[in-house]
Amino acid sequence: DTEVTQTPKHLVMGMTNKKSLKCEQHMGHRAMYWYKQKAKKPPELMFVYSYEKLSINESVPSRFSPECPNSSLLNLHLHALQPEDSALYLCASSQGNRIPGLPDTQYFGPGTRLTVL
Amino acid sequence: KQEVTQIPAALSVPEGENLVLNCSFTDSAIYNLQWFRQDPGKGLTSLLLIQSSQREQTSGRLNASLDKSSGRSTLYIAASQPGDSATYLCAVRRNTGGFKTIFGAGTRLFVKA
Repeated sequence: DTEVTQTPKHLVMGMTNKKSLKCEQHMGHRAMYWYKQKAKKPPELMFVYSYEKLSINESVPSRFSPECPNSSLLNLHLHALQPEDSALYLCASSQGNRIPGLPDTQYFGPGTRLTVL
Repeated sequence: KQEVTQIPAALSVPEGENLVLNCSFTDSAIYNLQWFRQDPGKGLTSLLLIQSSQREQTSGRLNASLDKSSGRSTLYIAASQPGDSATYLCAVRRNTGGFKTIFGAGTRLFVKA
């Protein structure tokens, strides 16, 4: 099973709302990722968690707050977003291998389509 | 700074044709390179992953090659089918500094029946 699930599929929120995106995997992966993808653009990395610790934050505004409660779950908390934050938010996971030569395939979820009004 | 470029940006071919998609990267210090396909509005599906020490990987009608010294990878699709129509993305993970992955802008492929 190489499934990464994301909820909700679609989310519409106002600029004053607080909402959360959820991502889950049961492959025993220890690295989890959030990407943002605008229309007709490639995914852009936002955050990486490695062994439940935040290892990469690509200078993402603080209105996006990631959380990794355990090795299977990854959340993205949203607060005071702007209309330009509307995008497809993709979660991915990988085994988290850090030994050179070992494969570390990333598996992606279907994404959450976020619209900020 | 790693930059990943994919050529062509779009490609339209008749069904049954063999085709090659290109990916180039500027920093050869990579951990791996992964090819994905993405259908409109959907997530990414992993096609092939090539480790930095490998030269090629094959899966069914797909073959991906890697020439790290020249900063190039190709994805070869044999006997293309309409179901292959999608955007194909290559992604490069750097060798140091964690799991940062840089994507190319993708090649939009349309296979005509």
